[in-house]
Amino acid sequence: DIQMTQSPSSLSASVGDRVTITCRASQSISRYLNWYQQKPGKAPKLLIYAASSLQSEVPSGFSGGGSGTDFTLTISSLQPEDFATYYCQQSYSTPYTFGQGTKLEIK
Amino acid sequence: QVQLVQSGAELKKPGASVKVSCKASGYTLTSYYIHWVRQAPGQGLEWMGIINPSNDNTGSAQKFQGRVSMTRDTSASTVYMELSSLRSDDTAIYYCARSSGSAYGMDVWGQGTTVTVSS
Repeated sequence: DIQMTQSPSSLSASVGDRVTITCRASQSISRYLNWYQQKPGKAPKLLIYAASSLQSEVPSGFSGGGSGTDFTLTISSLQPEDFATYYCQQSYSTPYTFGQGTKLEIK
Repeated sequence: QVQLVQSGAELKKPGASVKVSCKASGYTLTSYYIHWVRQAPGQGLEWMGIINPSNDNTGSAQKFQGRVSMTRDTSASTVYMELSSLRSDDTAIYYCARSSGSAYGMDVWGQGTTVTVSS
C-alpha cells in the first residue's frame, strides 16, 4: 500500500496568513493526488484534484502543486471559514490511501 | 441537485453485519464510481473500497477483504455496502462518495452513516 504522510499534523495561524501543508507519498504517484477539507460533523469536501486542478466553486485562494512523491496545498490568505482539517489522498493505485490529516486552528 | 443520501444510524452487536445504503439522485448512477470511506471517532479518513455501478466490478482494501461486500441496484439508483463480523473498532461514520475516475477526486459525498458496534 502507498503511505501518505502529511506535515504538519496541526498548525496555528491567523486570518490573512499564507499557509502551506505538505503531503509525501511513499512511492511516485505521478499527479494522482487530491486534497479535501473537513469541518467538524461534516463530510469531507473536495478542494483540489490531480495535484493542482481546482474543484468547481472552490475559492481561488486554494492552490495545489507537486508531482511524483511531494505535494503541497497552499491557502494564500486564510479566511475564518478555512479553519478545518485537511487531508491528502492518492488515487494512483488501490487502496486509495489518505494522509493522517492536518488540523488548521486559529492562533 | 446532485446528491448521495445514505441510510440511517445503526447499532449492532459484535459479530453481526451491517448494510448501509447510498442512493444517488440528480445524475446517472452508472456514470460514476462509488467509494466507501470510514472515519472512526476522532480519527482520520480510511478508504474501504470502490464499486463501478455500470458493471458491478468492485475492489477493496486488503484489511476488509472477506468482510466487505459492495453491491448496486441500478433500478433504484442505490449502492450498498455490507460489513460483516463487526468488531468494536468498526464503530465509525461510513461515507459513500462518487468519482468519475482515478484522475479525479471524490466530488460528491453522502451525509454519512454512524455505525456503532457495542454489546
